[in-house]
Amino acid sequence: EDQVTQSPEALRLQEGESSSLNCSYTVSGLRGLFWYRQDPGKGPEFLFTLYSAGEEKEKERLKATLTKKESFLHITAPKPEDSATYLCAVDAGGTSYGKLTFGQGTILTVHP
Amino acid sequence: DTEVTQTPKHLVMGMTNKKSLKCEQHMGHRAMYWYKQKAKKPPELMFVYSYEKLSINESVPSRFSPECPNSSLLNLHLHALQPEDSALYLCASSPRQATNEKLFFGSGTQLSVL
Repeated sequence: EDQVTQSPEALRLQEGESSSLNCSYTVSGLRGLFWYRQDPGKGPEFLFTLYSAGEEKEKERLKATLTKKESFLHITAPKPEDSATYLCAVDAGGTSYGKLTFGQGTILTVHP
Repeated sequence: DTEVTQTPKHLVMGMTNKKSLKCEQHMGHRAMYWYKQKAKKPPELMFVYSYEKLSINESVPSRFSPECPNSSLLNLHLHALQPEDSALYLCASSPRQATNEKLFFGSGTQLSVL
């Protein structure tokens, strides 16, 4: 069974204090790993897709990386507006195309 | 237009009521999804429609009945729900139902079943 585990469950940072979120996965055949951001009472917002080990993608203060067993979301010099829940999801392919398995999420709070 | 619009934003219903959730997108996407999200939990897939046909049903109870009348519209009909069905119901769309298609989510309908 596909599993996605995110850590930590919650992370509190001071503005400007860089850190990383972790997403560990166990899947039979990874087709892609997704990062989404979710604000309270809203739907998830797409951030990145990573396809193969060694791949990196950046967007503003966020940088996502992928290894064979885990992905990291690095946040550089965060601002209060980066506060949100960050969800990791995997597409393990197989016969159920488009079926994502989500991790539990990391709740990020950035204090000014 | 890159939005997925869901209505209503909030819904309170009794266990004997019949109600419907509506989702609309005008991005030309041919795959549409219903997810259920309980508080502080990740979204869980319920249904997937591809080219207006039901493609995936994740063993959802029959009190939830999806409908895709056309390529832009997705409904979720609710009947005889239980209090444990209270959750945020999210609609999403993607260009196709395929590997590695990113999903565009709506803001959801917050459902409370009394």
